[in-house]
Amino acid sequence: GDKVKQSPSALSLQEGTNSALRCNFSIAATTVQWFLQNPRGSLMNLFYLVPGTKENGRLKSAFDSKESYSTLHIRDAQLEDSGTYFCAAEADMGYKLTFGTGTSLLVDP
Amino acid sequence: DTTVKQNPRYKLARVGKPVNLICSQTMNHDTMYWYQKKPNQAPKLLLFYYDKILNREADTFEKFQSSRPNNSFCSLYIGSAGLEYSAMYLCASSNRDWGSAETLYFGSGTRLTVL
Repeated sequence: GDKVKQSPSALSLQEGTNSALRCNFSIAATTVQWFLQNPRGSLMNLFYLVPGTKENGRLKSAFDSKESYSTLHIRDAQLEDSGTYFCAAEADMGYKLTFGTGTSLLVDP
Repeated sequence: DTTVKQNPRYKLARVGKPVNLICSQTMNHDTMYWYQKKPNQAPKLLLFYYDKILNREADTFEKFQSSRPNNSFCSLYIGSAGLEYSAMYLCASSNRDWGSAETLYFGSGTRLTVL
């Protein structure tokens, strides 16, 4: 099965509303990173997390290693937040980041 | 400067022909990675260099090669392209602090189309 499972797979929001994306891990994740894929296809790093929370503007992310999940909260969604969000986890100080399959977010005016 | 640069942005290749993609970073990161990204799929790690040591994933071992002539540059080489190689190829870099990867920085990617 998927080692990193993202939900939902797709999401449509009205501008100005809030939402939460989630990743569940079936590996012993030690660090988590969240990325936003731009229209051209490249990945922009949003957060790097050890267990705990981080906040940056309208984005807030949390990582709970004991319960094996991470969340990304988007507050006051804007049109430019549209894109595909990926989470990725590293396990047991290994070299490999395992990615989820992404959440496709569309923010409508 | 948190820039990872990739060339070319678009690449057209014929089936059976070689392909060479280039990546550079100026952050003095010790680790450079190559990922393959296909639509609606998770990025897939192909290989990475930690310093001068190349590590290739088991399931892509024979399909991709790489070289890292110095800390800043890393290439991805396909000896004989097949249709299934059509994808976005993303280069990334990071530092490995105490064995754990730090923030991963991606380049803008090379979109390879094999005909």
